[in-house]
Amino acid sequence: GENVEQHPSTLSVQEGDSAVIKCTYSDSASNYFPWYKQELGKGPQLIIDIRSNVGEKKDQRIAVTLNKTAKHFSLHITETQPEDSAVYFCAAGPGGYQKVTFGTGTKLQVIP
Amino acid sequence: SQTIHQWPATLVQPVGSPLSLECTVEGTSNPNLYWYRQAAGRGLQLLFYSIGIDQISSEVPQNLSASRPQDRQFILSSKKLLLSDSGFYLCAWRGKQDSSGNTIYFGEGSWLTVV
Repeated sequence: GENVEQHPSTLSVQEGDSAVIKCTYSDSASNYFPWYKQELGKGPQLIIDIRSNVGEKKDQRIAVTLNKTAKHFSLHITETQPEDSAVYFCAAGPGGYQKVTFGTGTKLQVIP
Repeated sequence: SQTIHQWPATLVQPVGSPLSLECTVEGTSNPNLYWYRQAAGRGLQLLFYSIGIDQISSEVPQNLSASRPQDRQFILSSKKLLLSDSGFYLCAWRGKQDSSGNTIYFGEGSWLTVV
């Protein structure tokens, strides 16, 4: 089955700096890579996703890059703000309605 | 629009007592439904998923069970809780026909503390 590794487990940045979270996956059949943000005591919410036919996708201060050859993908948050503080999860899966496998999460703290 | 409801939000149960967590989805039909568990400070562990009524797949052996008596209702149960069952339980759904790549939508979660 799919195995997703996520690093780092915790990340502290100063407000205004950039944050990068990296994930690797093992199953070359995976072609759908979502990222979720989980605030304390709440369910995760999708913030951005990317398919394997695209190398990069941006949405305002958030971007995701994908390297299918190396089987890794990354989340980039620029100009970080205190409200970006949360736990972020990456995931990978074959798309369709099959299961996705989640990474272990990164706790991001943005220091004002 | 679609919404997912999950309850209760928090509960404290003694060891050996039964458990029932309920989840309902509105605004969609024939969704895939999931139960995840999140231990403190850890990732999301898939417990059960369902592609239709009475069609349940279990991902990990445990003393929990799941049922789907109606299309948009998913229930997580246990006959006798263990201390290790404590955690944050998340219900989620996913459409079968979703051009956005079959996004998984999560409920707000249920905090279970077994004492």
